[in-house]
Amino acid sequence: AQSVTQLDSQVPVFEEAPVELRCNYSSSVSVYLFWYVQYPNQGLQLLLKYLSGSTLVKGINGFEAEFNKSQTSFHLRKPSVHISDTAEYFCAVKRYGGSQGNLIFGKGTKLSVKP
Amino acid sequence: NAGVTQTPKFHILKIGQSMTLQCTQDMNHNYMYWYRQDPGMGLKLIYYSVGAGITDKGEVPNGYNVSRSTTEDFPLRLELAAPSQTSVYFCASTRDPNQPQHFGDGTRLSIL
Repeated sequence: AQSVTQLDSQVPVFEEAPVELRCNYSSSVSVYLFWYVQYPNQGLQLLLKYLSGSTLVKGINGFEAEFNKSQTSFHLRKPSVHISDTAEYFCAVKRYGGSQGNLIFGKGTKLSVKP
Repeated sequence: NAGVTQTPKFHILKIGQSMTLQCTQDMNHNYMYWYRQDPGMGLKLIYYSVGAGITDKGEVPNGYNVSRSTTEDFPLRLELAAPSQTSVYFCASTRDPNQPQHFGDGTRLSIL
């Protein structure tokens, strides 16, 4: 079985500062990894995904994440945040090759960007 | 394309009542999912479907039922609603189980 741990439930940062949202996963098999963003009262939007290939993945809105297999991590980073990045961010994993596509989500990290 | 559409957006239900949450997608996706989101808990899978006529339980199926008579629609039925089912419900779909899922905007359900 897979599990996902998002180490910080809330991350407050000032505008234009860098941010890192941490995600660790546990799995006995290879996985695909995703980051989703949820703005208030909206559904989830895909930020980026790691399926294979380069371990540094670039997503929308200037976010990127690095897959580290040895540390079983997939931390999300942005070098300079904006007020509009205030949202909740979810890390998710899916078992490689699974036929159902079921995602396992972390509990989420609320990013609050202050002026 | 509208993507994944969920109705209603908000609803208040009395304890013991029943209700169907609607989900429809216009992307011809075979794979569809229902999640519930509770504060600080992330999303938990309730039921999923890999195609019309095929459904299966997820992590938290108790108190819910689903059907999948068409590719487009995947309704979620609550029978005998309980306060513990107060939550935000999200429907999602994908063409390929190894690709990202597309989410609807959610249904916010309160049971009083």
